[in-house]
Amino acid sequence: NAGVTQTPKFQVLKTGQSMTLQCAQDMNHEYMSWYRQDPGMGLRLIHYSVGAGITDQGEVPNGYNVSRSTTEDFPLRLLSAAPSQTSVYFCASSYGSTSSYEQYFGPGTRLTVT
Amino acid sequence: SQQGEEDPQALSIQEGENATMNCSYKTSINNLQWYRQNSGRGLVHLILIRSNEREKHSGRLRVTLDTSKKSSSLLITASRAADTASYFCAPASSGDYKLSFGAGTTVTVRA
Repeated sequence: NAGVTQTPKFQVLKTGQSMTLQCAQDMNHEYMSWYRQDPGMGLRLIHYSVGAGITDQGEVPNGYNVSRSTTEDFPLRLLSAAPSQTSVYFCASSYGSTSSYEQYFGPGTRLTVT
Repeated sequence: SQQGEEDPQALSIQEGENATMNCSYKTSINNLQWYRQNSGRGLVHLILIRSNEREKHSGRLRVTLDTSKKSSSLLITASRAADTASYFCAPASSGDYKLSFGAGTTVTVRA
């Protein structure tokens, strides 16, 4: 199993550009989520999904959109990039509710917005 | 979901020594999870301890949980250079489907 994969690994955007960060998992996990991590800080939840067709907002959803059309894929869209969105983005998945199951994380996408 | 608070913020030890870090949380939990993050990498799950467990071991890792004090500790024994990383705790309550992470404890193991 590849686990959780993310592409691209690195990306530089200009302010106002849009892009999609890709996330895929091959473990048939129902739960998927997107976090961002800024220097010296923990991870903050952006959006999450409890199954195909179901998404919801996390702590810092503004400026981001998600969709979940399949169990495997959970892309994160930046609508109009801003320098404040410079961060490292992690996708994670789990078999079920975190009250019972651990999360598996991807390797991250390092995004710089100039 | 609730965020755990790790203490200390940073820890520097000699190779071969033990490292202990603590986690406190605020409300009742179903389980508490510990994760490791090596520099520039994704988080890796280490241990999940359930609320009815007091201690759990995995290799050189020992986790304790005291639900009366709402705290947990992670002990790494006989540390190695590869243990240099940030460590995060994540308390999970009933019905949670997402985790919240604090700033973590940064451990540096000196050769």
